Amino acid sequence: SAVISQKPSRDICQRGTSLTIQCQVDSQVTMMFWYRQQPGQSLTLIATANQGSEATYESGFVIDKFPISRPNLTFSTLTVSNMSPEDSSIYLCSVEESGDTEAFFGQGTRLTVV
Amino acid sequence: KQEVTQIPAALSVPEGENLVLNCSFTDSAIYNLQWFRQDPGKGLTSLLLIQSSQREQTSGRLNASLDKSSGRSTLYIAASQPGDSATYLCATYFNKFYFGSGTKLNVKP
Repeated sequence: SAVISQKPSRDICQRGTSLTIQCQVDSQVTMMFWYRQQPGQSLTLIATANQGSEATYESGFVIDKFPISRPNLTFSTLTVSNMSPEDSSIYLCSVEESGDTEAFFGQGTRLTVV
Repeated sequence: KQEVTQIPAALSVPEGENLVLNCSFTDSAIYNLQWFRQDPGKGLTSLLLIQSSQREQTSGRLNASLDKSSGRSTLYIAASQPGDSATYLCATYFNKFYFGSGTKLNVKP
């Protein structure tokens, strides 16, 4: 199974600033996803990170707020822009390996906005 | 839209007990169902994946079943241990993942 490294593991940020989260996979993967998990809730898909093209965003999420990059098949970043306390969540990177629909997750980034 | 429900939301059992966690889903058109474990503030660890054509999967003390026609899956944990304490999530997959809200398990020594 893919090994996923997500950085940073946690951060405390000032409102109005931006944070970029990195997701590195030890093998090439077809699909990479970004999720948000608000306190006490389940996971919500933010977007699918597409290699070499713009990410596909779910309803309620926009590129200006959550810009995503995926320059190759092993790496992606998610930026949380102009943060407010409501953005305090765990952000998770997930991948599906080629030809398989089993999902694997990074260890998450615990973001607190003050 | 697929809706995934997990009952109970929380469960506390003494060590050594066998237990069952439940997952139900509204749309039986799924490719697979996956069970995860999440420790507080951490990411998800995949426990078991059941393809839509399968009825169950086993890994060590864990056994997961799938009944697509009734929209149900169960995760059976045998001889529970304090180290099993975590939140357990199920998710169905059909073009994307749909997650339940999880069952928070506490196994008391």
